[in-house]
Amino acid sequence: DAKTTQPPSMDCAEGRAANLPCNHSTISGNEYVYWYRQIHSQGPQYIIHGLKNNETNEMASLIITEDRKSSTLILPHATLRDTAVYYCIVRVNNNNAGNMLTFGGGTRLMVKP
Amino acid sequence: DTAVSQTPKYLVTQMGNDKSIKCEQNLGHDTMYWYKQDSKKFLKIMFSYNNKELIINETVPNRFSPKSPDKAHLNLHINSLELGDSAVYFCASSERYNEQFFGPGTRLTVL
Repeated sequence: DAKTTQPPSMDCAEGRAANLPCNHSTISGNEYVYWYRQIHSQGPQYIIHGLKNNETNEMASLIITEDRKSSTLILPHATLRDTAVYYCIVRVNNNNAGNMLTFGGGTRLMVKP
Repeated sequence: DTAVSQTPKYLVTQMGNDKSIKCEQNLGHDTMYWYKQDSKKFLKIMFSYNNKELIINETVPNRFSPKSPDKAHLNLHINSLELGDSAVYFCASSERYNEQFFGPGTRLTVL
């Protein structure tokens, strides 16, 4: 799986949009971008994923640059409950290598009142 | 109606003991996993298992072994526990290569 680079920490004001960047300059054409988060003392939680096009679901939006070398996860109206470590992961969607996820250090997002 | 459950939530034991952590998923998924999160909070895959294949992360000592009595369960057995095994262990499941659902974790402390 391609390596990703994320800032170690970010702050965001409650109610504002949180924009979390991720660099994946060595991404291959068949690798997807996935985002998970881990709230303190809980298991990781899937947020969203995409290949080329921007994606949106009830939790967040994912913006992938045209060259696919970077992406941004957007939480449109951050709440205190969004305080967590956010992980950007790139991987191929197939069963080779056991479908394992490789987690990096992630970004620790602190949402402040 | 918990999707992925683990027992116990906390496990405290002495060095040298053998212990097991249980994992169950009620999502009907065909693939299950074990991850380890150490004191520095790094999450590392240990095993990936479906009814056809077990894939082991090469860094995992052979004291660790997953056992699956059926598709809904993947238990983790650990022999001869060492201090360095202290960590939080997460079970997860997915349908093929789709998104993974994680359990709440088991905090293992080896004294």
